[in-house]
Amino acid sequence: DQQVKQNSPSLSVQEGRISILNCDYTNSMFDYFLWYKKYPAEGPTFLISISSIKDKNEDGRFTVFLNKSAKHLSLHIVPSQPGDSAVYFCAASGAGGTSYGKLTFGQGTILTVHP
Amino acid sequence: DADVTQTPRNRITKTGKRIMLECSQTKGHDRMYWYRQDPGLGLRLIYYSFDVKDINKGEISDGYSVSRQAQAKFSLSLESAIPNQTALYFCATSEREGLSGYTFGSGTRLTVV
Repeated sequence: DQQVKQNSPSLSVQEGRISILNCDYTNSMFDYFLWYKKYPAEGPTFLISISSIKDKNEDGRFTVFLNKSAKHLSLHIVPSQPGDSAVYFCAASGAGGTSYGKLTFGQGTILTVHP
Repeated sequence: DADVTQTPRNRITKTGKRIMLECSQTKGHDRMYWYRQDPGLGLRLIYYSFDVKDINKGEISDGYSVSRQAQAKFSLSLESAIPNQTALYFCATSEREGLSGYTFGSGTRLTVV
């Protein structure tokens, strides 16, 4: 039972264009969402997060959008750079219930940005 | 020094052997976690600990055990390794409220033959 889903295993984008990575969730108890970036031979690193009381959070080239009614979030990277090529994981956490204090991760999306 | 250190980085072991993966952190956080990564499945939680006296099973704890020796140390053991435990294992730590995200180690690549 995958509570956090990233349905696109991979995404290929041209340098300078926008990258859009998508994530869907099923657990209505989730109220905090995060994106992690992972390079080969390294652990995931925190990228950006959003609380369920917001619908958008921006940090430089990275923007996360949350649509609670659709249980959907997306990460936009503008403009995309070759150094952004990595695996991106969506994660969710809840303030209560069995999801409290723990992150549930999606399957990951491999982003490749071509020069 | 890295905030979260995992040892070993790579390990090949035989089916049936007991193996321990170690994790130490210098962040001073109370909460520590063990995840495994498999292709197409993302990161799945094995065990977690909210403080030294607290140990909890995650979604895939069968075949694993953990020990929280101190605030800074959290080890994962495979009592009798089997080939489908071949994976990339990550240790992570977070602050008490857990909202600022996790800090991960660099991972241990374990192969069971």
